[in-house]
Amino acid sequence: QVQLVESGGGVVQPGGSLTLSCAASGFTFSSYGMHWVRQAPGKGLEWVAFIRYDGSYQSHADSVKGRFTISRDNSKNTLYLQMNSLRVEDTAVYYCARGLMLRGDFDYWGQGTLVAVSS
Amino acid sequence: QSALTQPPSVSGSPGQSVTISCTGTSSDVGSYNRVSWYQQPPGTAPKLMIYEVTNRPSGVPDRFSGSKSGNTASLTISGLQAEDEADYYCSSYTSSSTWVFGGGTKVTVV
Repeated sequence: QVQLVESGGGVVQPGGSLTLSCAASGFTFSSYGMHWVRQAPGKGLEWVAFIRYDGSYQSHADSVKGRFTISRDNSKNTLYLQMNSLRVEDTAVYYCARGLMLRGDFDYWGQGTLVAVSS
Repeated sequence: QSALTQPPSVSGSPGQSVTISCTGTSSDVGSYNRVSWYQQPPGTAPKLMIYEVTNRPSGVPDRFSGSKSGNTASLTISGLQAEDEADYYCSSYTSSSTWVFGGGTKVTVV
Protein backbone atom coordinates (compact mmCIF):
# COMPACT_ATOMS: atom_id res chain seq x y z
CA GLN A 1 0.00 0.00 0.00
CA VAL A 2 1.08 3.60 -0.57
CA GLN A 3 2.98 5.04 2.37
CA LEU A 4 4.40 8.52 2.82
CA VAL A 5 6.38 9.23 5.99
CA GLU A 6 7.58 12.75 6.76
CA SER A 7 10.47 13.55 9.07
CA GLY A 8 12.75 16.43 9.99
CA GLY A 9 10.34 18.73 11.76
CA GLY A 10 11.19 20.49 15.00
CA VAL A 11 11.66 23.82 16.72
CA VAL A 12 13.80 26.43 14.97
CA GLN A 13 14.50 30.11 15.58
CA PRO A 14 13.34 32.81 13.15
CA GLY A 15 15.84 33.13 10.34
CA GLY A 16 16.95 29.53 10.73
CA SER A 17 16.88 26.60 8.32
CA LEU A 18 15.40 23.12 8.29
CA THR A 19 15.15 20.30 5.77
CA LEU A 20 12.10 18.04 5.70
CA SER A 21 12.12 14.57 4.15
CA CYS A 22 9.31 12.35 2.92
CA ALA A 23 10.06 8.65 2.45
CA ALA A 24 7.78 6.98 -0.09
CA SER A 25 6.94 3.30 -0.49
CA GLY A 26 4.29 1.06 -2.02
CA PHE A 27 4.33 2.68 -5.47
CA THR A 28 6.73 3.64 -8.26
CA PHE A 29 7.96 6.92 -6.81
CA SER A 30 9.70 8.02 -10.02
CA SER A 31 6.37 7.98 -11.91
CA TYR A 32 4.54 10.52 -9.77
CA GLY A 33 4.67 14.22 -9.06
CA MET A 34 4.87 15.18 -5.40
CA HIS A 35 3.68 18.11 -3.31
CA TRP A 36 4.25 19.75 0.04
CA VAL A 37 1.14 21.17 1.74
CA ARG A 38 1.10 22.86 5.15
CA GLN A 39 -1.47 23.60 7.82
CA ALA A 40 -0.89 26.21 10.51
CA PRO A 41 -2.36 25.38 13.93
CA GLY A 42 -6.15 25.68 13.78
CA LYS A 43 -6.03 26.92 10.18
CA GLY A 44 -6.74 25.57 6.71
CA LEU A 45 -4.57 23.86 4.14
CA GLU A 46 -2.02 25.84 2.14
CA TRP A 47 -0.24 24.45 -0.93
CA VAL A 48 3.54 24.98 -0.68
CA ALA A 49 5.34 23.35 -3.62
CA PHE A 50 5.19 20.76 -6.41
CA ILE A 51 7.87 18.78 -8.24
CA ARG A 52 7.40 16.82 -11.43
CA TYR A 53 8.01 13.05 -11.41
CA ASP A 54 11.50 13.39 -12.89
CA GLY A 55 12.47 16.54 -10.99
CA SER A 56 12.62 18.61 -14.18
CA TYR A 57 9.98 21.10 -13.07
CA GLN A 58 9.19 22.73 -9.74
CA SER A 59 6.61 25.25 -8.64
CA HIS A 60 6.46 27.14 -5.34
CA ALA A 61 3.81 29.27 -3.65
CA ASP A 62 4.52 33.00 -3.57
CA SER A 63 4.61 32.87 0.24
CA VAL A 64 7.72 30.64 0.18
CA LYS A 65 9.33 31.49 -3.16
CA GLY A 66 13.01 32.27 -2.77
CA ARG A 67 13.12 30.74 0.73
CA PHE A 68 11.94 27.13 0.26
CA THR A 69 13.12 24.62 -2.36
CA ILE A 70 11.47 21.32 -3.23
CA SER A 71 13.63 18.50 -4.55
CA ARG A 72 13.63 14.72 -4.86
CA ASP A 73 15.97 11.73 -5.09
CA ASN A 74 14.27 9.01 -7.09
CA SER A 75 17.07 6.55 -6.29
CA LYS A 76 16.15 6.89 -2.60
CA ASN A 77 12.36 7.25 -3.08
CA THR A 78 12.57 10.45 -1.06
CA LEU A 79 11.12 13.95 -1.37
CA TYR A 80 12.70 16.97 0.33
CA LEU A 81 11.80 20.50 1.32
CA GLN A 82 14.72 22.79 2.11
CA MET A 83 13.43 25.70 4.21
CA ASN A 84 15.60 28.78 4.74
CA SER A 85 14.97 32.18 6.34
CA LEU A 86 12.15 30.69 8.39
CA ARG A 87 9.50 33.02 9.81
CA VAL A 88 7.09 32.66 12.69
CA GLU A 89 4.27 32.39 10.14
CA ASP A 90 5.86 29.25 8.66
CA THR A 91 4.85 27.37 11.82
CA ALA A 92 2.65 24.50 10.63
CA VAL A 93 2.25 20.79 10.12
CA TYR A 94 3.89 19.98 6.79
CA TYR A 95 2.40 17.16 4.74
CA CYS A 96 3.84 15.51 1.67
CA ALA A 97 1.29 14.32 -0.85
CA ARG A 98 1.38 12.40 -4.10
CA GLY A 99 -0.08 14.03 -7.19
CA LEU A 100 -0.38 13.71 -10.95
CA MET A 101 -0.09 17.16 -12.50
CA LEU A 102 -2.54 16.33 -15.29
CA ARG A 103 -5.18 15.22 -12.81
CA GLY A 104 -4.44 18.03 -10.38
CA ASP A 105 -5.30 16.32 -7.08
CA PHE A 106 -3.43 15.00 -4.04
CA ASP A 107 -4.36 11.33 -3.84
CA TYR A 108 -2.25 10.11 -0.91
CA TRP A 109 -0.98 12.05 2.09
CA GLY A 110 1.55 11.45 4.82
CA GLN A 111 0.75 12.01 8.49
CA GLY A 112 2.69 15.26 8.62
CA THR A 113 5.62 16.70 10.56
CA LEU A 114 5.40 19.78 12.79
CA VAL A 115 7.66 22.76 12.22
CA ALA A 116 7.59 25.40 14.95
CA VAL A 117 9.41 28.68 14.36
CA SER A 118 9.89 30.47 17.63
CA SER A 119 12.47 32.45 19.54
CA GLN B 1 -3.26 33.67 -5.35
CA SER B 2 -6.25 34.11 -3.03
CA ALA B 3 -7.85 31.12 -1.34
CA LEU B 4 -11.04 29.69 -2.80
CA THR B 5 -14.17 30.73 -0.89
CA GLN B 6 -16.05 28.15 1.16
CA PRO B 7 -18.72 28.62 3.86
CA PRO B 8 -17.17 28.21 7.32
CA SER B 9 -19.75 25.68 8.41
CA VAL B 10 -22.75 23.64 7.33
CA SER B 11 -24.89 21.27 9.34
CA GLY B 12 -27.58 18.68 8.80
CA SER B 13 -29.45 15.86 10.46
CA PRO B 14 -28.65 12.21 9.80
CA GLY B 15 -30.09 11.19 6.46
CA GLN B 16 -30.29 14.72 5.10
CA SER B 17 -28.22 16.17 2.28
CA VAL B 18 -25.76 19.04 2.62
CA THR B 19 -23.91 20.94 -0.09
CA ILE B 20 -20.63 22.82 0.28
CA SER B 21 -19.79 25.49 -2.27
CA CYS B 22 -16.30 26.46 -3.43
CA THR B 23 -16.04 29.72 -5.35
CA GLY B 24 -12.96 30.67 -7.31
CA THR B 25 -12.23 32.71 -10.40
CA SER B 26 -11.77 32.28 -14.12
CA SER B 27 -8.07 31.67 -13.38
CA ASP B 28 -8.69 28.52 -11.40
CA VAL B 29 -12.04 26.75 -10.87
CA GLY B 30 -13.58 28.35 -13.94
CA SER B 31 -10.80 27.29 -16.30
CA TYR B 32 -9.86 23.80 -15.18
CA ASN B 33 -11.56 20.53 -14.29
CA ARG B 34 -8.69 19.89 -11.85
CA VAL B 35 -10.95 20.53 -8.87
CA SER B 36 -10.78 18.14 -5.93
CA TRP B 37 -12.26 17.75 -2.44
CA TYR B 38 -10.70 16.50 0.81
CA GLN B 39 -12.11 15.28 4.11
CA GLN B 40 -10.12 15.91 7.29
CA PRO B 41 -11.40 14.61 10.64
CA PRO B 42 -9.76 16.28 13.66
CA GLY B 43 -6.14 15.32 14.20
CA THR B 44 -5.78 13.37 10.97
CA ALA B 45 -4.33 13.91 7.50
CA PRO B 46 -6.64 14.96 4.65
CA LYS B 47 -8.23 12.25 2.50
CA LEU B 48 -9.13 12.62 -1.18
CA MET B 49 -12.90 12.36 -1.70
CA ILE B 50 -13.48 13.78 -5.22
CA TYR B 51 -11.08 14.46 -8.10
CA GLU B 52 -11.53 16.08 -11.51
CA VAL B 53 -14.76 17.71 -10.31
CA THR B 54 -16.96 14.60 -10.26
CA ASN B 55 -14.85 11.45 -9.84
CA ARG B 56 -14.77 9.36 -6.66
CA PRO B 57 -11.66 7.34 -5.78
CA SER B 58 -12.15 3.68 -4.99
CA GLY B 59 -13.55 3.22 -1.48
CA VAL B 60 -15.29 6.59 -1.21
CA PRO B 61 -19.04 6.09 -0.65
CA ASP B 62 -21.32 7.16 -3.50
CA ARG B 63 -23.08 9.47 -1.02
CA PHE B 64 -20.35 11.94 -1.93
CA SER B 65 -20.72 13.71 -5.26
CA GLY B 66 -19.17 16.71 -6.95
CA SER B 67 -20.21 19.22 -9.59
CA LYS B 68 -19.16 22.54 -11.11
CA SER B 69 -20.84 25.50 -12.72
CA GLY B 70 -18.78 28.42 -13.92
CA ASN B 71 -16.39 29.55 -11.18
CA THR B 72 -18.13 27.55 -8.43
CA ALA B 73 -17.65 23.90 -7.56
CA SER B 74 -19.82 21.99 -5.08
CA LEU B 75 -19.59 18.90 -2.91
CA THR B 76 -22.84 17.21 -1.90
CA ILE B 77 -23.12 14.65 0.87
CA SER B 78 -26.37 12.71 0.58
CA GLY B 79 -27.74 10.60 3.40
CA LEU B 80 -25.56 12.35 5.98
CA GLN B 81 -24.01 10.07 8.58
CA ALA B 82 -22.35 10.80 11.92
CA GLU B 83 -19.01 9.62 10.53
CA ASP B 84 -19.15 12.42 7.93
CA GLU B 85 -18.41 15.05 10.61
CA ALA B 86 -15.12 16.63 9.56
CA ASP B 87 -13.55 19.61 7.85
CA TYR B 88 -13.82 19.63 4.07
CA TYR B 89 -11.51 21.47 1.68
CA CYS B 90 -11.72 22.11 -2.03
CA SER B 91 -8.67 22.62 -4.23
CA SER B 92 -8.02 23.77 -7.78
CA TYR B 93 -5.12 24.01 -10.18
CA THR B 94 -4.50 27.58 -11.34
CA SER B 95 -3.35 29.41 -14.47
CA SER B 96 -0.12 30.29 -12.62
CA SER B 97 0.78 26.57 -12.52
CA THR B 98 0.14 26.51 -8.80
CA TRP B 99 -2.57 25.02 -6.61
CA VAL B 100 -4.99 26.77 -4.26
CA PHE B 101 -7.18 25.47 -1.44
CA GLY B 102 -10.43 26.75 -0.04
CA GLY B 103 -10.58 28.00 3.53
CA GLY B 104 -12.37 24.85 4.69
CA THR B 105 -15.90 24.00 5.81
CA LYS B 106 -16.79 22.29 9.07
CA VAL B 107 -19.62 19.78 8.59
CA THR B 108 -21.65 19.05 11.72
CA VAL B 109 -24.21 16.27 12.01
CA VAL B 110 -26.83 17.51 14.47
